[in-house]
Amino acid sequence: GQQLNQSPQSMFIQEGEDVSMNCTSSSIFNTWLWYKQEPGEGPVLLIALYKAGELTSNGRLTAQFGITRKDSFLNISASIPSDVGIYFCAGQGWGGADGLTFGKGTHLIIQP
Amino acid sequence: GAVVSQHPSRVICKSGTSVKIECRSLDFQATTMFWYRQFPKKSLMLMATSNEGSKATYEQGVEKDKFLINHASLTLSTLTVTSAHPEDSSFYICSASSRGRASDEQFFGPGTRLTVL
Repeated sequence: GQQLNQSPQSMFIQEGEDVSMNCTSSSIFNTWLWYKQEPGEGPVLLIALYKAGELTSNGRLTAQFGITRKDSFLNISASIPSDVGIYFCAGQGWGGADGLTFGKGTHLIIQP
Repeated sequence: GAVVSQHPSRVICKSGTSVKIECRSLDFQATTMFWYRQFPKKSLMLMATSNEGSKATYEQGVEKDKFLINHASLTLSTLTVTSAHPEDSSFYICSASSRGRASDEQFFGPGTRLTVL
């Protein structure tokens, strides 16, 4: 099936640093979503973006929905140890009952 | 927030046997449930979409006779892996959404780790 192009694949950062990751797609989506998944668990929604160009924040997280509807980025400011995990972008089509197309994930590792 | 549960969380079975995985929405009625599959260090791949009371819609490349999906009620969907083989070993995750919710947000279950020996 289709996948979104998500980068970077992994990030090794120091605590306190800012993080940025992004996703691109050849197709347009109605909704862009960012999830975090911890080992052995299901993904948890961080931010949902519904309008092209929309910039949304959730605490230290900021995400934007690209104006072309084909890309999105997620920034995490002042990283802390509990930010460790795998972050996935996901796109959803216009049907409310559409499944999600996920990116390949960004593995965030915070070095002491 | 809405809660989705899965049972069992882990299952180990012998090759050739069938395994049933349950997905339940605990505090809302899920008009649509989705089943995803995730291999180690890989992304989630949509397998099928099921609407309550109707047949599931499978994604291209997913064998419907291999992965039987039943969505008999607004709070329960089941995925049965029939005649399981080692290559079916994976992390299976369901999600549920309700058209009654403004954003049609999908709420994910905690996943089921299937190991086929």
